[in-house]
Amino acid sequence: KQEVTQIPAALSVPEGENLVLNCSFTDSAIYNLQWFRQDPGKGLTSLLLIQSSQREQTSGRLNASLDKSSGRSTLYIAASQPGDSATYLCAAPQTGANNLFFGTGTRLTVIP
Amino acid sequence: GAVVSQHPSWVICKSGTSVKIECRSLDFQATTMFWYRQFPKQSLMLMATSNEGSKATYEQGVEKDKFLINHASLTLSTLTVTSAHPEDSSFYICSARDGRSNTEAFFGQGTRLTVV
Repeated sequence: KQEVTQIPAALSVPEGENLVLNCSFTDSAIYNLQWFRQDPGKGLTSLLLIQSSQREQTSGRLNASLDKSSGRSTLYIAASQPGDSATYLCAAPQTGANNLFFGTGTRLTVIP
Repeated sequence: GAVVSQHPSWVICKSGTSVKIECRSLDFQATTMFWYRQFPKQSLMLMATSNEGSKATYEQGVEKDKFLINHASLTLSTLTVTSAHPEDSSFYICSARDGRSNTEAFFGQGTRLTVV
């Protein structure tokens, strides 16, 4: 069964700082990996989808990388802003399954 | 991206009553929809997978008679929590995939269920 781990569990940074969130997964035979943002009490907002054939994907200040061989993905946030404060979730499928397995998330706080 | 609409966003019900949650794909056809549950400070856990026109597949430990799932059309799946109890209080989120691409998953806004 796919297991997804995210570190750190919580992160607090001053505004303007660049930061990296880490995600690892056990079943590396994935066809894609997704990063989501979740605000308190809200649903999920898809941030980036990386296909297995890609090494990275960029959207604005966000850059996600994928290394299937090592079972790792990172989400890089440049020039962080207070509005980036949220929980960031990494999710990956499992071989033969269509659903996503989620990490426990990294709770990010950007201090003005 | 594609839009998945979930309704209601929150509901409070009395213990023993049933609650229905709807999940709609607004601009694409979803052959497969997923229902997740999220307890406070925990991540999302898959409850069941529903395929249009067939019975849902439930994860181990999820009672199929308690959590009734219907996926009668390519744009609508419903989750009914029957005889709800306080321990069923949770955040329920649905997800759908575009039947054509079967890649990116889109999520609804979630439903906060509180059973009193």
